Amino acid sequence: SQELEQSPQSLIVQEGKNLTINCTSSKTLYGLYWYKQKYGEGLIFLMMLQKGGEEKSHEKITAKLDEKKQQSSLHITASQPSHAGIYLCGADEGGNEKLTFGTGTRLTIIP
Amino acid sequence: GAVVSQHPSWVICKSGTSVKIECRSLDFQATTMFWYRQFPKQSLMLMATSNEGSKATYEQGVEKDKFLINHASLTLSTLTVTSAHPEDSSFYICSASVGSAPSYEQYFGPGTRLTVT
Repeated sequence: SQELEQSPQSLIVQEGKNLTINCTSSKTLYGLYWYKQKYGEGLIFLMMLQKGGEEKSHEKITAKLDEKKQQSSLHITASQPSHAGIYLCGADEGGNEKLTFGTGTRLTIIP
Repeated sequence: GAVVSQHPSWVICKSGTSVKIECRSLDFQATTMFWYRQFPKQSLMLMATSNEGSKATYEQGVEKDKFLINHASLTLSTLTVTSAHPEDSSFYICSASVGSAPSYEQYFGPGTRLTVT
């Protein structure tokens, strides 16, 4: 199965600053999904990347998938308190809709 | 985005009893749903794939007789934890896909927190 590593494990950022979270796979990804989770709650879908070199943006969040489709980054510009939470990347194992999740990155925004 | 609901949101049960958790797709039909569990401060682990009208497919190490899955309709899957024990206490989350592999979006329910005393 896929092995996904996320870095950093936790991140404390002052409000207004930019930040980047990385997700690295041991294998080529068929699809890479980014979710946000607040403790004890479900996952909120952020973005899905499928093609090598693909980049998507939504509001202040941009996600990229490298050409080799083994690494993805999530970048938040001008962070806000509402961005706080746990960010999880999920990888599709062979295009069969089963997702393997990374270890998660806990983001804290300091006012 | 598509909406997936779960019921109950939390449940406390006594050791040895069974608990049923429902997962519904509210505004779309889902031939396939997925069940995950999450331990505190850990990531999600896929337990099984729920297939409408057929048997569920379980991941390695997941006891199918303990975690019974039924996918009776295109909008409802249920997970029953049978003879629950304290080690079954966890956060259970279901998901459903919109679109078809390999291009799809997968949406998650709000989760059910199970505590077995």
